[in-house]
Amino acid sequence: NAGVTQTPKFQVLKTGQSMTLQCAQDMNHEYMSWYRQDPGMGLRLIHYSVGAGITDQGEVPNGYNVSRSTTEDFPLRLLSAAPSQTSVYFCASREAYEQYFGPGTRLTVT
Amino acid sequence: DQQVKQNSPSLSVQEGRISILNCDYTNSMFDYFLWYKKYPAEGPTFLISISSIKDKNEDGRFTVFLNKSAKHLSLHIVPSQPGDSAVYFCAASSLKMDSSYKLIFGSGTRLLVRP
Repeated sequence: NAGVTQTPKFQVLKTGQSMTLQCAQDMNHEYMSWYRQDPGMGLRLIHYSVGAGITDQGEVPNGYNVSRSTTEDFPLRLLSAAPSQTSVYFCASREAYEQYFGPGTRLTVT
Repeated sequence: DQQVKQNSPSLSVQEGRISILNCDYTNSMFDYFLWYKKYPAEGPTFLISISSIKDKNEDGRFTVFLNKSAKHLSLHIVPSQPGDSAVYFCAASSLKMDSSYKLIFGSGTRLLVRP
């Protein structure tokens, strides 16, 4: 099993550009989520999904969209990038309480 | 207002000694607690967990203690090894509050184990 995979690993965007961070898991988990990690802030939940076709907002959803058309994939879209979205983004899937994280995407918005 | 707090941003210990990482929470509805370990340029990995019906859970060199009255948990690593150097996140969840098992994370403690 590959577990949770994320692409790209690194990305630099200019303010106002849009992009999609990809996330896929091969563990057949229903629950998937996106977090951002900022210094001194820990991991904050952006959006999550409890199954295909079902998504909901987390703690910091503004500026991000998600969709879940399949169990495996959960892409995160930045509609119009802002410097405040410079962060490391982690996708996770889980079974009950234990979450399995991807390796992360380091995004810089200039 | 942070519901899960790790007040020590960093900790340095000598190899072979005990490392104690602390975590406080404010919501008495939390009923499950987890510790995650994160190396640079990698995603967090699950380390150990404890249910609120227990006060201790042990897995090899790692032990988590839960004090519900104080709303405090701690992770003990004995003996500490240089490979334990990482950032440790505490997380909490409540099935009573939220059936989606959402996790609330602390801000992390960076542990350095000196050879």
